[in-house]
Amino acid sequence: ETGVTQTPRHLVMGMTNKKSLKCEQHLGHNAMYWYKQSAKKPLELMFVYNFKEQTENNSVPSRFSPECPNSSHLFLHLHTLQPEDSALYLCASSQEGGEGEKLFFGSGTQLSVL
Amino acid sequence: DQQVKQNSPSLSVQEGRISILNCDYTNSMFDYFLWYKKYPAEGPTFLISISSIKDKNEDGRFTVFLNKSAKHLSLHIVPSQPGDSAVYFCAASAGGTSYGKLTFGQGTILTVHP
Repeated sequence: ETGVTQTPRHLVMGMTNKKSLKCEQHLGHNAMYWYKQSAKKPLELMFVYNFKEQTENNSVPSRFSPECPNSSHLFLHLHTLQPEDSALYLCASSQEGGEGEKLFFGSGTQLSVL
Repeated sequence: DQQVKQNSPSLSVQEGRISILNCDYTNSMFDYFLWYKKYPAEGPTFLISISSIKDKNEDGRFTVFLNKSAKHLSLHIVPSQPGDSAVYFCAASAGGTSYGKLTFGQGTILTVHP
């Protein structure tokens, strides 16, 4: 596989559920990101990991918990979400030190919270 | 307060003609700008970028123009093709340690008619 792979593609969960989104990048990059796109709103940065260290938490509620066990994998753990958290969650990677601004995105997980 | 704005939600163009997508920004710290294209059910893909030290960057049919004094950039697609029909996002970065921390516009839906 090449590029950035996200699973699952679609997820429906209740407000009391716990679920996790998974992202894997096969590009040899050293930075990974979670972005969120709500309906009719721009993509919003949630978290940044550089060399497995979290360097940015963009005022995200604690019901979203990221995990980056290595430079190729990124998770977003979800618990007690609210219906307004329904959105497209996009993972991305880039090479810090190169063209770090050029992000490579996965296809996203479309999340619906009931 | 939205720092990157794409004021046209949609644009319709005839095949073979020029498509011009516009983007305005307010943050004078932005020094790197990118355009992404997104097809349905896929993640955004990088299209073209420009540094603030330039006013034009060209890649095949795609040209990005930057007017720093007006805080405005535009993407020109010539000639437009039906396969260019997608959502186009403008994004900006403040550089430095802000690699990958992109601020996105809301997107413009481009439809190219055969």
